[in-house]
Amino acid sequence: QKEVEQNSGPLSVPEGAIASLNCTYSDRGSQSFFWYRQYSGKSPELIMFIYSNGDKEDGRFTAQLNKASQYVSLLIRDSQPSDSATYLCAVIPAGNNRKLIWGLGTSLAVNP
Amino acid sequence: DAGVTQSPTHLIKTRGQHVTLRCSPISGHKSVSWYQQVLGQGPQFIFQYYEKEERGRGNFPDRFSARQFPNYSSELNVNALLLGDSALYLCASSVEDWGANVLTFGAGSRLTVL
Repeated sequence: QKEVEQNSGPLSVPEGAIASLNCTYSDRGSQSFFWYRQYSGKSPELIMFIYSNGDKEDGRFTAQLNKASQYVSLLIRDSQPSDSATYLCAVIPAGNNRKLIWGLGTSLAVNP
Repeated sequence: DAGVTQSPTHLIKTRGQHVTLRCSPISGHKSVSWYQQVLGQGPQFIFQYYEKEERGRGNFPDRFSARQFPNYSSELNVNALLLGDSALYLCASSVEDWGANVLTFGAGSRLTVL
């Protein structure tokens, strides 16, 4: 089982719709969770991070964390064509481990 | 204020050669991390440095080495290049050594090994 799993997609949504991106992780003790966006040929950029169970909202983005079920999701409301990118989920596992564990990313296409 | 800067942006090497990649963190950031990203995959952690000390190492062979300088800039060195080393090498900086680990990435150095 991979440590951080994401559906590779592509996920295709119409402009203005809600895009839902999911990520599951295997280390139950994981504490910190991050969503990065990566445009083709560019480097990742941080969208949000979340540490506590529940929802965290920032503009059109909402991160949802459920530690009992070991998943974290990212909702993008009012999706725009400029949101088309690969979304990477990253997790800091339990223990004194300094490396982020990354998923393979989900490709999102927002169609005008 | 400048972001994380990496050089060179692109380079082509042949098998067996050596490469040095450079990174300057955001001003005030003392931690630098290096990642390898192969096309279609997420980044893979290589090293993390804080205050010139290695604080973390990923599952990479000893051909990979790095260091951090007093000004917090960093170099990643790869010896005896293999075809499989072709990838985007990302440098990321953060304010703190650990904890939130919110990373800001540079644009990357794309290495092609022929």
